[in-house]
Amino acid sequence: AQSVSQHNHHVILSEAASLELGCNYSYGGTVNLFWYVQYPGQHLQLLLKYFSGDPLVKGIKGFEAEFIKSKFSFNLRKPSVQWSDTAEYFCAVNSGGYQKVTFGIGTKLQVIP
Amino acid sequence: DSGVTQTPKHLITATGQRVTLRCSPRSGDLSVYWYQQSLDQGLQFLIQYYNGEERAKGNILERFSAQQFPDLHSELNLSSLELGDSALYFCASSENRDNTIYFGEGSWLTVV
Repeated sequence: AQSVSQHNHHVILSEAASLELGCNYSYGGTVNLFWYVQYPGQHLQLLLKYFSGDPLVKGIKGFEAEFIKSKFSFNLRKPSVQWSDTAEYFCAVNSGGYQKVTFGIGTKLQVIP
Repeated sequence: DSGVTQTPKHLITATGQRVTLRCSPRSGDLSVYWYQQSLDQGLQFLIQYYNGEERAKGNILERFSAQQFPDLHSELNLSSLELGDSALYFCASSENRDNTIYFGEGSWLTVV
């Protein structure tokens, strides 16, 4: 069964700091990978996704993620965070087929002005 | 706006009661998913339907049931409610060919 690990459960950064959130998955076959963001009091929104092709994926709001197949990783990055990036970030994986998407436990990001 | 509609947005009910949460997927999406989000357990996958049929089951309690109707809307039924069932229940939908999931705004359930 596929699983997703997010190593950092709570991250605190100052504005303008660089961000990298780790995500590792367990499934060894073809995967589709996603990052979602949940702003306080809101629903989950898609940040970016990887299905195939260029392993460096660019998403909304300046976020990007890199798929490294050999490391089973899909880390989320942003060069310079803003206070408005304060949110919870979820990594998710889907192995195709029945489309069941497995989510990580989430990482709460707090950006201090 | 993701295009996924959930009702009600907020619901307060007593222990032992039964509630029904409703979800309308994005136009054209055949798959519907239900998730439960609580502070202590995070985001938990409950169940998935595809074009009216159950496709995958997660951590859904026996007191909970769901179905997807011919018009593709879905309902999640929660019965014999307990205090611990208080949570945010998300519905999500996706197309067949694209596995991207789009979430609704959720239904806040408070059991008192």
